[in-house]
Amino acid sequence: DAKTTQPPSMDCAEGRAANLPCNHSTISGNEYVYWYRQIHSQGPQYIIHGLKNNETNEMASLIITEDRKSSTLILPHATLRDTAVYYCIVRAGRRDDKIIFGKGTRLHILP
Amino acid sequence: DAGVIQSPRHEVTEMGQEVTLRCKPISGHDYLFWYRQTMMRGLELLIYFNNNVPIDDSGMPEDRFSAKMPNASFSTLKIQPSEPRDSAVYFCASRARDRVIDTIYFGEGSWLTVV
Repeated sequence: DAKTTQPPSMDCAEGRAANLPCNHSTISGNEYVYWYRQIHSQGPQYIIHGLKNNETNEMASLIITEDRKSSTLILPHATLRDTAVYYCIVRAGRRDDKIIFGKGTRLHILP
Repeated sequence: DAGVIQSPRHEVTEMGQEVTLRCKPISGHDYLFWYRQTMMRGLELLIYFNNNVPIDDSGMPEDRFSAKMPNASFSTLKIQPSEPRDSAVYFCASRARDRVIDTIYFGEGSWLTVV
């Protein structure tokens, strides 16, 4: 019962910014947006999360719309190592023990 | 710090055999999760523990699956008897609820093939 909608796949040229969209139109006021990625043959890895402000860390930036119904994960300079499945997840922070993964977006970085 | 450690990494077994997958969570983490991943169903949460106590096992597919956490540093997921449809990657993950970034950390997975 994933609460998010993501495109099944996307392509991005190496060196360009990869912009991965996520719709979460039913998000509640206390729910955060989390992003994970799964590189082939590995377990998912945390990227970033946010509540309503835009966030940036060493891996990516997260842009959340003002109405919080959608967000975009930005990888500023995509490399071949960024080829992975990216999962957008909505959860109520620390009060939500479970992390439920949807289908995610398969991102292909093209050389 | 060592991450989540799973064993075995790969197992091939015959239908009907018992399979035991093992997990050592990150030291100090109070939550442990078992997930299963297949091409058809994606990444599914099977069961999770808090302070060694099972909290939600609603994702366990059937009675052939069981999980235990006898102490804070060890958990097992057992399948008995195994069937070909159990072939999947089984991930263990752990979480420390009181950390600055509340996230879970996954192991490298146990790749199970039942023939």
